[in-house]
Amino acid sequence: AQTVTQSQPEMSVQEAETVTLSCTYDTSESDYYLFWYKQPPSRQMILVIRQEAYKQQNATENRFSVNFQKAAKSFSLKISDSQLGDAAMYFCAYRSSAITSGTYKYIFGTGTRLKVLA
Amino acid sequence: ETGVTQTPRHLVMGMTNKKSLKCEQHLGHNAMYWYKQSAKKPLELMFVYSLEERVENNSVPSRFSPECPNSSHLFLHLHTLQPEDSALYLCASSQDTGYFTDTQYFGPGTRLTVL
Repeated sequence: AQTVTQSQPEMSVQEAETVTLSCTYDTSESDYYLFWYKQPPSRQMILVIRQEAYKQQNATENRFSVNFQKAAKSFSLKISDSQLGDAAMYFCAYRSSAITSGTYKYIFGTGTRLKVLA
Repeated sequence: ETGVTQTPRHLVMGMTNKKSLKCEQHLGHNAMYWYKQSAKKPLELMFVYSLEERVENNSVPSRFSPECPNSSHLFLHLHTLQPEDSALYLCASSQDTGYFTDTQYFGPGTRLTVL
């Protein structure tokens, strides 16, 4: 079974600085997809960034980028120029290939709470 | 943030009660999901519906009963719950369940407390 591990329950970053959130996963599949979701306090969870496992190039969305290491099964999120609005719970997620496995799986980690210090 | 709405936002119920959670999406999506979010535990996918047909049921106890009457509405019927079922229940929708179309759009959640 696939698992997603976020080993940092909480992290802090100074405003305007850069922070990296860690995520590792375990799977025997070769085709899958990875995501980072953000859940601000008392607000709805939204997608931050996604990565296809077959792509070697790391995904980037403005100040958010990932470091995807397929062999190491690592998928970290880097937030550059941190802003107060980045404070939230960040969830790493794994999605299996529904077509090949016949089963839809969307697996989340336990989350990392990011605090941004002014 | 009004794309996916959930009611009620907070619910307190006894173990013998029967209640229902409601989710509505205004995004024209074909797939809807129920998740359970407990403190310090991974978000758990409970049910997946695509075009009103259940696609996945991740071994959820029968005291949770989903209903998807149409692609815009999703219900979670609750009966004979246990205190450990207390959690935030999140609804999500996506265009479809294919990879390029299953970005999850989440509702605000229903905070459920079982006494």
